[in-house]
Amino acid sequence: AQSVTQLGSHVSVSEGALVLLRCNYSSSVPPYLFWYVQYPNQGLQLLLKYTTGATLVKGINGFEAEFKKSETSFHLTKPSAHMSDAAEYFCAVIAMFSGGYNKLIFGAGTRLAVHP
Amino acid sequence: DVKVTQSSRYLVKRTGEKVFLECVQDMDHENMFWYRQDPGLGLRLIYFSYDVKMKEKGDIPEGYSVSREKKERFSLILESASTNQTSMYLCASSPRRGSEAFFGQGTRLTVV
Repeated sequence: AQSVTQLGSHVSVSEGALVLLRCNYSSSVPPYLFWYVQYPNQGLQLLLKYTTGATLVKGINGFEAEFKKSETSFHLTKPSAHMSDAAEYFCAVIAMFSGGYNKLIFGAGTRLAVHP
Repeated sequence: DVKVTQSSRYLVKRTGEKVFLECVQDMDHENMFWYRQDPGLGLRLIYFSYDVKMKEKGDIPEGYSVSREKKERFSLILESASTNQTSMYLCASSPRRGSEAFFGQGTRLTVV
């Protein structure tokens, strides 16, 4: 069965510092992987996705993630944090559902704080 | 742009009430989903639908039901609201099986 583990429920960085949010997945089939961002009292917005092809994926707002099959990881990074990056971030994987359907399985989320 | 609209941002209901949460998408997506979001638990799937009048249980369907009479509309029903259903509810849609989902703004429901 597919699953997602996000390491660290809270991450705090200084403005201008590197952002690294960790995600490990479990999947018995080649995974489709996603990162979403959620600002306070808002829905989720897609940051980036990996389906096939290039393992380094670039998304919106300067974020990127690298799919590493050997490590079963899909960590999210940004070279320089902005105050506006403060939000909650969710990693997700497509899971095969009984009956042949797919659904998104989410991690528990990582809340990113950015301080001056 | 895809737009998923949830009818209410905030709701306060009493224990035992029947509650309807409405969701509409404007991109002719086949798939629609209802998630519940609680701190530390991430998003948990309540129900989903891959076609009109079709529904499938997710991970936590107990106490909920759904209705999809038209392709663009997916309703979540709390048959008899309880305080443990106080939560943020998120509706999502996607164009085909296996693709990313597009989310509404969420409905924060408080049951008192």
